[in-house]
Amino acid sequence: QVQLQESGPGLVKPSQTLSLTCTVSGGSISSGDYYWSWIRQPPGKGLEWIGYIHYSGSTYYNPSLKSRLTLSVDTSKNQFSLKLSSVTAADTAVYYCARDFAWGHPDYSYYYQMDVWGKGTTVTVSS
Amino acid sequence: DIQMTQSPSSLSASVGDRVTITCRASQSISTYLNWYQQKPGKAPKLLIYAASSLQSGVPSRFSGSGSGTDFTLTISSLQPEDFATYHCQQSYSTPPWTFGQGTKMEIK
Repeated sequence: QVQLQESGPGLVKPSQTLSLTCTVSGGSISSGDYYWSWIRQPPGKGLEWIGYIHYSGSTYYNPSLKSRLTLSVDTSKNQFSLKLSSVTAADTAVYYCARDFAWGHPDYSYYYQMDVWGKGTTVTVSS
Repeated sequence: DIQMTQSPSSLSASVGDRVTITCRASQSISTYLNWYQQKPGKAPKLLIYAASSLQSGVPSRFSGSGSGTDFTLTISSLQPEDFATYHCQQSYSTPPWTFGQGTKMEIK
């Protein structure tokens, strides 16, 4: 059974870079059917999709964060990572990693669903 | 980006009630719609994918329907463990994926 676990600092100073890692256990990150997503949830608010990465290195970033965001993957460690630069208090949130399963017919648009999630890690941006 | 709007934002119901939550997309998304359940302090859990397909292990009292711009999540008979927040999410065409604002279901 695949499990995901986020790790990283819980406190980041304004203007610095937020760095998180998601470790995948119980399965390989190198399956072509899966994309690996980051999602965040500010306190008391809804969910925001941050972006995803494929084991091949292919990425898609939310345009609202694109200028500050870098996603990477390390297949040897079965991990993927997020770096968000120039953070402000607005970046304070619970950050989740998730497996995004892509399926369907290649002649049509693929379906995606986030079927496995990490437990989440709280990141606070404060001096 | 495609905007997703859920209604109601909150809902009070009793054990045994049949409840329906609605999600509307700002443009047609065919059946590229997922539903998640989130309990306080926990990660979301996938309930329904592709608008109407039940995720493995999810009780059959949960069902989803709709296509185009209008979708519903129905719980046929509310159980105590169903009191949670429910989120819809679209995955149409290319990212970014977007979520509805959530519907908080509370005990009446």
